[in-house]
Amino acid sequence: DAKTTQPNSMESNEEEPVHLPCNHSTISGTDYIHWYRQLPSQGPEYVIHGLTSNVNNRMASLAIAEDRKSSTLILHRATLRDAAVYYCILLNSGYSTLTFGKGTMLLVSP
Amino acid sequence: KAGVTQTPRYLIKTRGQQVTLSCSPISGHRSVSWYQQTPGQGLQFLFEYFSETQRNKGNFPGRFSGRQFSNSRSEMNVSTLELGDSALYLCASSLQGQGAGNEQFFGPGTRLTVL
Repeated sequence: DAKTTQPNSMESNEEEPVHLPCNHSTISGTDYIHWYRQLPSQGPEYVIHGLTSNVNNRMASLAIAEDRKSSTLILHRATLRDAAVYYCILLNSGYSTLTFGKGTMLLVSP
Repeated sequence: KAGVTQTPRYLIKTRGQQVTLSCSPISGHRSVSWYQQTPGQGLQFLFEYFSETQRNKGNFPGRFSGRQFSNSRSEMNVSTLELGDSALYLCASSLQGQGAGNEQFFGPGTRLTVL
């Protein structure tokens, strides 16, 4: 399985944009990039996913590099509620299991 | 639409005992996956059930087993509990099962403590 690399932690101030990076240099052409997050004392929740083009939804934006070897999850205006561990996960278009790494712990200060 | 529910939320057992955890998926979802989360190992996949059949299994000993009923509810059983089984057990449901583009909806988890 292709691996992802994320920083252990990042800090942000409330109401500022946050860019969470993810490197996946061994990504294959049929791997989708998924992001989940886990808030304290809760189960993970889906954030967004994409294949090649940038994607937007109500929670975040996903910017995918042209060579697909890296991607960035963008939170446009961080709130205290966005403090969580963010996981970048590759899932093949065939059957593949959601496999979590260590993720990035995002700290948001008021 | 109600989310994924797990019961019980907290459980304390002693070594050697067995335990059964329950997961009710979102209505209409046919897939239920189970995960174990510990501070040391993070989130690890246990198994997935889809339409009452185990579709995939993670790298856990045979003491960990599960099943899924015709109404898609799932149970997970751990026999001969060990101290290292203390963890948060999460279940996730989805419409199409594990795979790219298939959003997994997680429950709040069951916190198991083994003494």
